[in-house]
Amino acid sequence: GNSVTQMEGPVTLSEEAFLTINCTYTATGYPSLFWYVQYPGEGLQLLLKATKADDKGSNKGFEATYRKETTSFHLEKGSVQVSDSAVYFCALLNGSGNTGKLIFGQGTTLQVKP
Amino acid sequence: NAGVTQTPKFRVLKTGQSMTLLCAQDMNHEYMYWYRQDPGMGLRLIHYSVGEGTTAKGEVPDGYNVSRLKKQNFLLGLESAAPSQTSVYFCASSSNRGSTEAFFGQGTRLTVV
Repeated sequence: GNSVTQMEGPVTLSEEAFLTINCTYTATGYPSLFWYVQYPGEGLQLLLKATKADDKGSNKGFEATYRKETTSFHLEKGSVQVSDSAVYFCALLNGSGNTGKLIFGQGTTLQVKP
Repeated sequence: NAGVTQTPKFRVLKTGQSMTLLCAQDMNHEYMYWYRQDPGMGLRLIHYSVGEGTTAKGEVPDGYNVSRLKKQNFLLGLESAAPSQTSVYFCASSSNRGSTEAFFGQGTRLTVV
């Protein structure tokens, strides 16, 4: 079946440090891949997405590249800010028989200290 | 500019009580979903709907029922609450056109004592 695995957190970084959050997936067919972010006390919101192999999604300084050969979609940012502190979820949407159901990883908490 | 609205935001129930969570979206989306979020487990799909009058089971449907009588509303019911249903519940909606993003509500924090 379809599944998403993220690195365990929490991840604690100092401001301006480089961020990588690993995400790997298992899926049949050709899924679309997403990163969602959840700020404290809020719902999830889309951060970026990629719909086919080798696509790079980017937003707010974050990037992730859809790597079919390694079934990965790692999230990166070159210089994190305190305001990036949140929970990050990797998710996939399987294209076959699509009903819009997202499969989520367990989430990775990021804490950025000044 | 409401998007997806969930009510209530917080609730405490006693074991065995019933309640209904309401989700409303104003984006004319076909698809709607109910997820629960538990520590270390990400979001798990409870039930979903692909259109008015339709519902289907997700990954963890036991103990929950849903209804989609109107396109804009998706109700989640707990007939007899159990402590294992203590969680944060999120509703989401999305268009039925391709790989579009899902929009989430702010969540309902439910505690069953």
